[in-house]
Amino acid sequence: DTGVSQDPRHKITKRGQNVTFRCDPISEHNRLYWYRQTLGQGPEFLTYFQNEAQLEKSRLLSDRFSAERPKGSFSTLEIQRTEQGDSAMYLCASSHRGLSSETQYFGPGTRLLVL
Amino acid sequence: AQSVTQPDIHITVSEGASLELRCNYSYGATPYLFWYVQSPGQGLQLLLKYFSGDTLVQGIKGFEAEFKRSQSSFNLRKPSVHWSDAAEYFCAVVAFSGAGSYQLTFGKGTKLSVIP
Repeated sequence: DTGVSQDPRHKITKRGQNVTFRCDPISEHNRLYWYRQTLGQGPEFLTYFQNEAQLEKSRLLSDRFSAERPKGSFSTLEIQRTEQGDSAMYLCASSHRGLSSETQYFGPGTRLLVL
Repeated sequence: AQSVTQPDIHITVSEGASLELRCNYSYGATPYLFWYVQSPGQGLQLLLKYFSGDTLVQGIKGFEAEFKRSQSSFNLRKPSVHWSDAAEYFCAVVAFSGAGSYQLTFGKGTKLSVIP
């Protein structure tokens, strides 16, 4: 049973460029979450998928952010027209459909630096 | 709204000494509580969780935590710290939403340094 994987692990981009991150959840986990973690802070919730449906979005998720989860498997998070304030660690987590659906397992994260 | 407070930003202990990391939560109902650990540049690893039942829960790597409803606390403990325990520790509470998600609200974390 492999864990949650994220790609890339690191991304450096220039302000104004678009970036896309990928998350592969643990197989058979139907719930998928994205969080953002800035320096010195705990992770903050961005968005939630149950299967392929995006059911919840945080106010932190501006119009420049979009997330998808086609076919209910992997998920992508795209940031358009990046800003320096987008520099952060982007974490993906997944949880099982069953009795322990409250328990989230995290990937290694994608660290974004916007110059 | 739910919240988590970790009063200690940074704690330094000697290897072999005992450890207690503090966590206070605010939540209207019975909370689901978690402790995660994060090594530098890495994601979060689940240490332990409390849902109900016995208020003293055991986790991985020799950690335990005690839920105290009267104090709204969920402190993490370890009797003897190892150098490999140096990391950042996050306490979190689950909030259930109408959309069916279990959003985690995290504290700001406590960074643990271990002196050999």
